[in-house]
Amino acid sequence: GEDVEQSLFLSVREGDSSVINCTYTDSSSTYLYWYKQEPGAGLQLLTYIFSNMDMKQDQRLTVLLNKKDKHLSLRIADTQTGDSAIYFCAENMGGYNKLIFGAGTRLAVHP
Amino acid sequence: EAGVVQSPRYKIIEKKQPVAFWCNPISGHNTLYWYRQNLGQGPELLIRYENEEAVDDSQLPKDRFSAERLKGVDSTLKIQPAELGDSAVYLCASSMGQGAPETQYFGPGTRLLVL
Repeated sequence: GEDVEQSLFLSVREGDSSVINCTYTDSSSTYLYWYKQEPGAGLQLLTYIFSNMDMKQDQRLTVLLNKKDKHLSLRIADTQTGDSAIYFCAENMGGYNKLIFGAGTRLAVHP
Repeated sequence: EAGVVQSPRYKIIEKKQPVAFWCNPISGHNTLYWYRQNLGQGPELLIRYENEEAVDDSQLPKDRFSAERLKGVDSTLKIQPAELGDSAVYLCASSMGQGAPETQYFGPGTRLLVL
């Protein structure tokens, strides 16, 4: 079935690294995505990874993909207060452009 | 470049009333999506358009929901009549309709509260 799961909440100290985890179910997904949602706003694409890759780095963001375990993670280095938001993991179902989202992980950054 | 525009941003109605949401996608984007986001959840696809054709409406509750994209640009999503459980954020997104990956760009959403 279609199910993307994420932990609901993460609290980190400013300057530390944050790691947000996600598991997905569709092995035929070709891309996996991370979106960010700030209060009252729509979703902003942060990064994506192709399913035949196991790592992608983009400035402070590192995405790790374990295809065997269907596990995806997003690491944010040097987390800042502006990173406080809800982070959504998504897979494109069956390789088509139908995104299945997790429930989101709320990241709280404290001084 | 302007992003995806949605209006209204907020809507409060009483149950059994009709309501409509409007979306203007990014210029040149052929594919348009409507999502519903319930409180504490991720977005769920309601309908996807390729130009003016609805290519995936399997999750649209057709007894009360309807959508149109007559000229393949703007789109309207309607609920008639609204129920209490329809309270949610309705998000519109668009993408170019080609390329891999096909990045979806989201609007700010319309927050609907049904009383």
